[in-house]
Amino acid sequence: DAGVIQSPRHEVTEMGQEVTLRCKPISGHDYLFWYRQTMMRGLELLIYFNNNVPIDDSGMPEDRFSAKMPNASFSTLKIQPSEPRDSAVYFCASSSVQQGSRAGELFFGEGSRLTVL
Amino acid sequence: GDSVTQMEGPVTLSEEAFLTINCTYTATGYPSLFWYVQYPGEGLQLLLKATKADDKGSNKGFEATYRKETTSFHLEKGSVQVSDSAVYFCALRSWNQGGKLIFGQGTELSVKP
Repeated sequence: DAGVIQSPRHEVTEMGQEVTLRCKPISGHDYLFWYRQTMMRGLELLIYFNNNVPIDDSGMPEDRFSAKMPNASFSTLKIQPSEPRDSAVYFCASSSVQQGSRAGELFFGEGSRLTVL
Repeated sequence: GDSVTQMEGPVTLSEEAFLTINCTYTATGYPSLFWYVQYPGEGLQLLLKATKADDKGSNKGFEATYRKETTSFHLEKGSVQVSDSAVYFCALRSWNQGGKLIFGQGTELSVKP
């Protein structure tokens, strides 16, 4: 299995620009999570989906952030307009509750490092 | 709501020393408990897990036991190596809250030769 795939791995943009981060979960997984990691705040859960439906978006910082999951194999996290304080590593993770002894484990992508100048 | 508290780092040890990283949790119901590890510049990898009280998770010489009476899931290793240097995250997955995974703040471990 290819694992969770995120793109881009690195993004440098200027304040005010739109940023779109992409995630392809592991095939067959029914949960998808977006996390943000910074030195100051550690790992923060932004939003998660179950069967493509958003379950909890209470961690989304503000209206500039939006996430979609149009189908089981793709999700996006969009920031518009971006600000310097959005600079962080954004992780996508997926999981399944159907896979025997590994049920409940989250599989993480390698992250998208965003720098907003 | 549910939460996880880890001992603060950084923790600095000499090679072959004994490691303990404390983790306690607050949760309703019966969460699953996890330890994840993050090596520099990489994503998070599952290190071990336990799904019910008294379960012991183990992997790569690391162990942790799900203690419901003390609401703890402390990570231990008898003899650390330089290659164990990383950030370790304790986490719980609360099925009472829709399957959300909640992380502790992470503990940085540095092992010196």
